[in-house]
Amino acid sequence: DTGVSQDPRHKITKRGQNVTFRCDPISEHNRLYWYRQTLGQGPEFLTYFQNEAQLEKSRLLSDRFSAERPKGSFSTLEIQRTEQGDSAMYLCASSVETGRKDTQYFGPGTRLTVL
Amino acid sequence: DAKTTQPPSMDCAEGRAANLPCNHSTISGNEYVYWYRQIHSQGPQYIIHGLKNNETNEMASLIITEDRKSSTLILPHATLRDTAVYYCIVLSNDYKLSFGAGTTVTVRA
Repeated sequence: DTGVSQDPRHKITKRGQNVTFRCDPISEHNRLYWYRQTLGQGPEFLTYFQNEAQLEKSRLLSDRFSAERPKGSFSTLEIQRTEQGDSAMYLCASSVETGRKDTQYFGPGTRLTVL
Repeated sequence: DAKTTQPPSMDCAEGRAANLPCNHSTISGNEYVYWYRQIHSQGPQYIIHGLKNNETNEMASLIITEDRKSSTLILPHATLRDTAVYYCIVLSNDYKLSFGAGTTVTVRA
């Protein structure tokens, strides 16, 4: 049983560059979530997909951020024109819809450093 | 969203039980209580969840009070590898996990 995987695990970029992260959810999980975690804080919700539909986006997700989940499988999170404030751990989680409960399983995260 | 309150930190001796309290006095009748933990620089790890009844799995036990306003996560035999930040979360109707500050648990040999 493979868990949620994320790629790359670490990314160092210069301010102003674009970056793209990938998340592969657990097989047959129809929900996929993105969270962001800065140093010393708990993860914060960014957006989530049910199958290929993006159902909600946080106010944290500025117009420089875009997420996709083509065909309801893997997802990508792109950040355009990165800023130093984007430095954080980007976490992906997946779950299978089961009524009112929603057990989300997290990947190892992608740590972004913007110089 | 129902908020949770946890102590900021606690120590535990290796081999002893660790009891982690959480208050969630504004929880609604159909909202689940979830516990996750996060070991340094790793993604959060799901531990256990519950609605009304007490729950147990291979990692921990969850005791929920009858009025559902508080709960306790029990790690029966803490090991050094259980040192982590533990988050108690009430899952909102929109399925977003709202992580607070959590409890930093340090297991000492």
